Amino acid sequence: AQKVTQAQTEISVVEKEDVTLDCVYETRDTTYYLFWYKQPPSGELVFLIRRNSFDEQNEISGRYSWNFQKSTSSFNFTITASQVVDSAVYFCALSEVNFGNEKLTFGTGTRLTIIP
Amino acid sequence: DAGVIQSPRHEVTEMGQEVTLRCKPISGHNSLFWYRQTMMRGLELLIYFNNNVPIDDSGMPEDRFSAKMPNASFSTLKIQPSEPRDSAVYFCASSWAGGYTEAFFGQGTRLTVV
Repeated sequence: AQKVTQAQTEISVVEKEDVTLDCVYETRDTTYYLFWYKQPPSGELVFLIRRNSFDEQNEISGRYSWNFQKSTSSFNFTITASQVVDSAVYFCALSEVNFGNEKLTFGTGTRLTIIP
Repeated sequence: DAGVIQSPRHEVTEMGQEVTLRCKPISGHNSLFWYRQTMMRGLELLIYFNNNVPIDDSGMPEDRFSAKMPNASFSTLKIQPSEPRDSAVYFCASSWAGGYTEAFFGQGTRLTVV
């Protein structure tokens, strides 16, 4: 069964520091998709990135970067030069697409607090 | 597009009452998900529809919960009878192609059962 583990429950860093959020997944599928979502204090869930299992290229978007490594089943998220607005709960998620049930399974989330 | 629209945003009800949560997915999306979020259990998938057909309802807690999707633009999640442990934020999300694409979430319905 598919599973997503975010071992870091809470992280606090001082503003402008870099921070990496870890995500480890388990899947029986050879084709799958990985996602990161942000949930700010206002409560909505905001999509950040989608990655398919065949594309291991790292991605950078502004201060955000993602490192996907199939060898370790990890899809980590780094925020560079953190800002107070980055304070939120971040969720990693996985969907398998080869078995007809494409449900999206979320990890338990990492609460990130940026200290001014 | 207006995004995924959920109603009501907040619901307070007494134990034993029926509660109906509503969701309008993004037009053109063929997959719809209902999630429940609590502090203890995090984000749990309750049910997943594809082309209006329930594909996976293994997350529905018990028979008191039911979900329908009568057409591509509307879904309901009903709890009857409601219990205090059902208190949570319920999210609806839709995607263009199931798990192949990102899901977009509604603002959620905060349900409190007293």
